Amino acid sequence: QVQLQESGPGLVKPSETLSLICSVSGGSINKYYWSWIRQSPGKGLEWIGYIYYSGSTNYNPSLKSRVFISVDTSRNFFSLNLNSVTAADTALYYCATGVGSGYYYMDVWGKGTTVTVSS
Amino acid sequence: EVVMTQSPATLSVSPGERATLSCRASQSISLNLAWYQHKPGQAPRLLIWGASTRATGIPARFSGSGSGTEFTLTITSLQSEDFAIYYCQQYNDWFPYTFGQGTKLEIK
Repeated sequence: QVQLQESGPGLVKPSETLSLICSVSGGSINKYYWSWIRQSPGKGLEWIGYIYYSGSTNYNPSLKSRVFISVDTSRNFFSLNLNSVTAADTALYYCATGVGSGYYYMDVWGKGTTVTVSS
Repeated sequence: EVVMTQSPATLSVSPGERATLSCRASQSISLNLAWYQHKPGQAPRLLIWGASTRATGIPARFSGSGSGTEFTLTITSLQSEDFAIYYCQQYNDWFPYTFGQGTKLEIK
């Protein structure tokens, strides 16, 4: 079964770019939609965006100007880049996919990785 | 953007009893609602989709109901492993799909 694992720096400086990778195991990345979702301290869950294995993307309008999601089908992972970060981007970042649903709801999640934005 | 409002924020229930969690959408989302269970340090777990369809492997004590703007997650005969935070999520109105703020289910 598909499993996901997030990785990347836990600390990013303000104004720099947050970069995370989600490694896909137990299945091919060459199907399904792949999402990034985050949870800021004390706040709820926020959908950042998703990518199809073909490369087509859809982003949250509130983040669209700063976010880029890409997929590497040869190495079975997808990535999140969020530029010009501020303290408001400090969050627990999850990658997820909807094996049974596409991009509607997520039935496979990673455990999440914490990113702190601080100088 | 569809705003999802969950109530109560915290629910205290004794093991073996029933818990009823509510989720309200700011506009009609038909049956396009999912529920998740989340425990600290773990990946969120899909419980319900389509407002009332249990995901694979989810025990029958979890049930979902509702349509339009009002939804309910009911957990009967609460087990110790059920105490967690529960989120609803709408996938009717793109984009973004939105989540509620969560209900923390704690042991009474």
